[in-house]
Amino acid sequence: QVQLVQSGAEVKKPGASVKISCKASGYSFTIYYMHWVRQAPGQGLEWMGIINPIGGSTSYAQKFQGRVTMTRDTSTSTVYMELDSLRSEDTAVYYCARGVVPAAACDYWGQGTLVTVSS
Amino acid sequence: DIQMTQSPSTLSASVGDRVTITCRASQSVSSWLAWYQQRPGKAPKVLIYEASNLGSGVPSRFSGSGSGTDFTLTINSLQPDDFATYYCQHYNSYPYTFGQGTKLEIK
Repeated sequence: QVQLVQSGAEVKKPGASVKISCKASGYSFTIYYMHWVRQAPGQGLEWMGIINPIGGSTSYAQKFQGRVTMTRDTSTSTVYMELDSLRSEDTAVYYCARGVVPAAACDYWGQGTLVTVSS
Repeated sequence: DIQMTQSPSTLSASVGDRVTITCRASQSVSSWLAWYQQRPGKAPKVLIYEASNLGSGVPSRFSGSGSGTDFTLTINSLQPDDFATYYCQHYNSYPYTFGQGTKLEIK
């Protein structure tokens, strides 16, 4: 069955970086794009960007440009999301979610990774 | 960026009711719109894609309609499991923005 398993919770200090992994299984990794979406405590969903698993090309929301990097490792069917220069407002649950083409709804989601930014 | 506006923000209803949530885009997104359900502490689940197509395994009491800028999600005969938060999201052009969410509460 399709699974997206994310790495565990992280606690970071302001100014630090965090790198979250999302390991895919149960389907052909290179067929589906991967999105990253975050949700601050008690808030709504925020789309961060997308990565094409075949060539690794990415598109990021303007808000995160320059601070986020999405990469993939096809040998392990894993995508990564690294966010730099963390601030308290980055405290959120981060989700990976797959879509069959860039313009498609996300049909499977990871379980989420809580990142807490606190001094 | 395309802005997505949902209404209402909160909706109170009873088991068995029929409810409608609306989503308006700041510019046309054609039919590139999805609806998600999110329960507390859980990842979102896709209910509707391409505005009106039912997601895999989603009960038929859920339906979506609309195109361009105006969309609706309708839930017929509310069940206890349906009390959750609902989000629309467009995927017409980057960034794929979400609406602010509609919390469906038990009356």
